[in-house]
Amino acid sequence: AQKITQTQPGMFVQEKEAVTLDCTYDTSDQSYGLFWYKQPSSGEMIFLIYQGSYDEQNATEGRYSLNFQKARKSANLVISASQLGDSAMYFCAMREGSTGANNLFFGTGTRLTVIP
Amino acid sequence: GAVVSQHPSWVICKSGTSVKIECRSLDFQATTMFWYRQFPKQSLMLMATSNEGSKATYEQGVEKDKFLINHASLTLSTLTVTSAHPEDSSFYICSASSPARQGRGLGVQYFGPGTRLTVL
Repeated sequence: AQKITQTQPGMFVQEKEAVTLDCTYDTSDQSYGLFWYKQPSSGEMIFLIYQGSYDEQNATEGRYSLNFQKARKSANLVISASQLGDSAMYFCAMREGSTGANNLFFGTGTRLTVIP
Repeated sequence: GAVVSQHPSWVICKSGTSVKIECRSLDFQATTMFWYRQFPKQSLMLMATSNEGSKATYEQGVEKDKFLINHASLTLSTLTVTSAHPEDSSFYICSASSPARQGRGLGVQYFGPGTRLTVL
């Protein structure tokens, strides 16, 4: 079974509007971390936001927020007030356990295009 | 966020030669670094986990004799593609795991800018 599932290959959003990128995960671990990364055409993976499995509050970082629904095993990324520079590939990832020595499992990504 | 550098950013080589790629964590010590490979329009594929002072752990299907990994210090890991062939052409990207509580989150992986390898 896939550890991370991103069902939206591509998404379009109007500039200044909000957009939600979906992510579901599968793990039997009680302790895990969820991450979102942005990959522009340059190829660099840019860390956006992190949610720990024990965090009670949804993570927020500027215009990014993570809608964490533990019972549904979903960790959707919400981007508010979209900008043209937000056009990129977005990857959801999960790390099982609480140590940084564990690797990440990545989803297949969602390509976001912001329309002027 | 933390900074990870990768060098070179791109390389073109002839078939049969070896290529070394360096990954450095610039502002934190990383006991664990990771090497990924990414094909066009696909997700990242983990190749190996590199631990400082010990042998790398390779993922199933990754040839350890072809992709040599050396994690010589807490800030440097190298990937050497030995006897490269055209099928090794790809985008290679490394990441370093930040220490607990540094940056935003526990042990966040920060990525280098990647190395595009083209083997002729």
